[in-house]
Amino acid sequence: NAGVTQTPKFRVLKTGQSMTLLCAQDMNHEYMYWYRQDPGMGLRLIHYSVGEGTTAKGEVPDGYNVSRLKKQNFLLGLESAAPSQTSVYFCASRPRGQGAAGEQYFGPGTRLTVT
Amino acid sequence: QKEVEQDPGPLSVPEGAIVSLNCTYSNSAFQYFMWYRQYSRKGPELLMYTYSSGNKEDGRFTAQVDKSSKYISLFIRDSQPSDSATYLCAMSYNTNAGKSTFGDGTTLTVKP
Repeated sequence: NAGVTQTPKFRVLKTGQSMTLLCAQDMNHEYMYWYRQDPGMGLRLIHYSVGEGTTAKGEVPDGYNVSRLKKQNFLLGLESAAPSQTSVYFCASRPRGQGAAGEQYFGPGTRLTVT
Repeated sequence: QKEVEQDPGPLSVPEGAIVSLNCTYSNSAFQYFMWYRQYSRKGPELLMYTYSSGNKEDGRFTAQVDKSSKYISLFIRDSQPSDSATYLCAMSYNTNAGKSTFGDGTTLTVKP
């Protein structure tokens, strides 16, 4: 099992450019999440999905869009990148069930710099 | 005020020391309490999680939850240099959406 993988690992964008971050999981998890992590600010939830075809906004959704067309994939899009979106982006997944509410599995992250 | 406050650190201890990492929270609806370990330039990995109050032990690690005080702790016994990492506490509600609220993390260095 590869677990949760993220593509790409690093990227440098110019202000105004667009890009898509891909998250894939092979654990058949229902729920998937996108976070950003900035120094001193912990992990902040951008968007999440509770199943194929469904998405919802998290704490900091502005400037981002997501899609969950397949159960195993969760895409995060930046339509017009801004320097404030320079961050490390983590994807996570977890299985369904209240007993599993705490068990999120994280990918290795994507380091994005917007100049 | 943040829902979850974590002792900011950084924390530096000698090898073999007992380490205490702590978080407080304000929302009494939280039911699941987690500790994640994050090595430098890696993703967080789940270390321990607890449902409701009480203690949970796993090897050198013990997680404690005191819901009456809204306080959680992670104790590391016989700390090792390999324990050097950032530790994140996280909490979630007892719902299927399972969104977690994270603390900002405490960076621990264990010196040989």
